[in-house]
Amino acid sequence: AQTVTQSQPEMSVQEAETVTLSCTYDTSESDYYLFWYKQPPSRQMILVIRQEAYKQQNATENRFSVNFQKAAKSFSLKISDSQLGDAAMYFCAYRREDSNYQLIWGAGTKLIIKP
Amino acid sequence: SQTIHQWPATLVQPVGSPLSLECTVEGTSNPNLYWYRQAAGRGLQLLFYSVGIGQISSEVPQNLSASRPQDRQFILSSKKLLLSDSGFYLCAWSVGLADYNEQFFGPGTRLTVL
Repeated sequence: AQTVTQSQPEMSVQEAETVTLSCTYDTSESDYYLFWYKQPPSRQMILVIRQEAYKQQNATENRFSVNFQKAAKSFSLKISDSQLGDAAMYFCAYRREDSNYQLIWGAGTKLIIKP
Repeated sequence: SQTIHQWPATLVQPVGSPLSLECTVEGTSNPNLYWYRQAAGRGLQLLFYSVGIGQISSEVPQNLSASRPQDRQFILSSKKLLLSDSGFYLCAWSVGLADYNEQFFGPGTRLTVL
């Protein structure tokens, strides 16, 4: 069965600096999708970035980028120029390519931004 | 544009009472719909999903049930709440068979069972 592991329960970063959140997953599939979601104190779950496993190029969305290492089954999120509004829980999720409903979620990483 | 609504936003219920949480989606047709529960400080647990009207799949056996009476309406119910049912309930939708099929979430309902 697929699993997603976020080994950092909590991370902190100084405002304007860069932080990397780690995510590893276990799967025997070759095609799948990976996501990072953000959950601020409002509890609204917001999609941050997504990556298709067959794409070698790392996804980028403004200040957010990923380091996707397929062989290592690693999918880390880098946040550049951290802002106070980035403070939230960040969840990594995995979706099988042949499934239209199942997301496997990590336990989350709480990101604290120090002003 | 698509929007997803959940209500109520917060709910406090006694043990043994019934439950009904509602989720509706606007701006899309035939979405996949999901109910998740999130315990404090934890990740998401998928409870139910639906790929169409009247089609419900359960991921976790429990005293909760779900129904989809209309295309864009998804209801989470219980006949008798347990203390362990407390948590944050999130409804989500996705476009079936789309490339990414990423899920979009509602604002959630915080349920406290006393």
